[in-house]
Amino acid sequence: DAGVIQSPRHEVTEMGQEVTLRCKPISGHDYLFWYRQTMMRGLELLIYFNNNVPIDDSGMPEDRFSAKMPNASFSTLKIQPSEPRDSAVYFCASRVHGYTFGSGTRLTVV
Amino acid sequence: RKEVEQDPGPFNVPEGATVAFNCTYSNSASQSFFWYRQDCRKEPKLLMSVYSSGNEDGRFTAQLNRASQYISLLIRDSKLSDSATYLCVVNLEGSARQLTFGSGTQLTVLP
Repeated sequence: DAGVIQSPRHEVTEMGQEVTLRCKPISGHDYLFWYRQTMMRGLELLIYFNNNVPIDDSGMPEDRFSAKMPNASFSTLKIQPSEPRDSAVYFCASRVHGYTFGSGTRLTVV
Repeated sequence: RKEVEQDPGPFNVPEGATVAFNCTYSNSASQSFFWYRQDCRKEPKLLMSVYSSGNEDGRFTAQLNRASQYISLLIRDSKLSDSATYLCVVNLEGSARQLTFGSGTQLTVLP
């Protein structure tokens, strides 16, 4: 089992650009979560899906953030337009019973 | 008030020492409790679940006090490889099957 796969591992982009983060959950896991981690705020839940349906997006910071899960094996988190304060590590996690996190995407917006 | 509060540390201890981390949570309806470990620039990984009766896994002991809404992790005979950030995590069961993370306690075990 390859685990939760995230891409890219690192992303450096200029302010105002669109950023798309990708996640492939573990096959058979029916929940998928997007978290953001910063030094100041720790790990924050942004949004989660159950069976590809968004359940709770109350953690999405603002309209610049959007997430989709078109099928059971793929999800995206998009930031448009990106801002320097979006710089963080973004983790995707999936679960049936226990959580498994991906390796994260380290985003830097300059 | 944060939902899950931890002492951020850092804790710097010599090899072989015993170290304890504490955590409090605000939501009395929280049902499941965990300790996760996060190495520098890595993803969080489950260290152990925390059960009401307390549980042990080798050198690690976890305890839960529901009345005080308090969770602890004890590490005995600490190793250099225990150096990491330890995250206290709670799960409010029900339809929202999501984890709420503490900000973590940083541990460095010194040779």
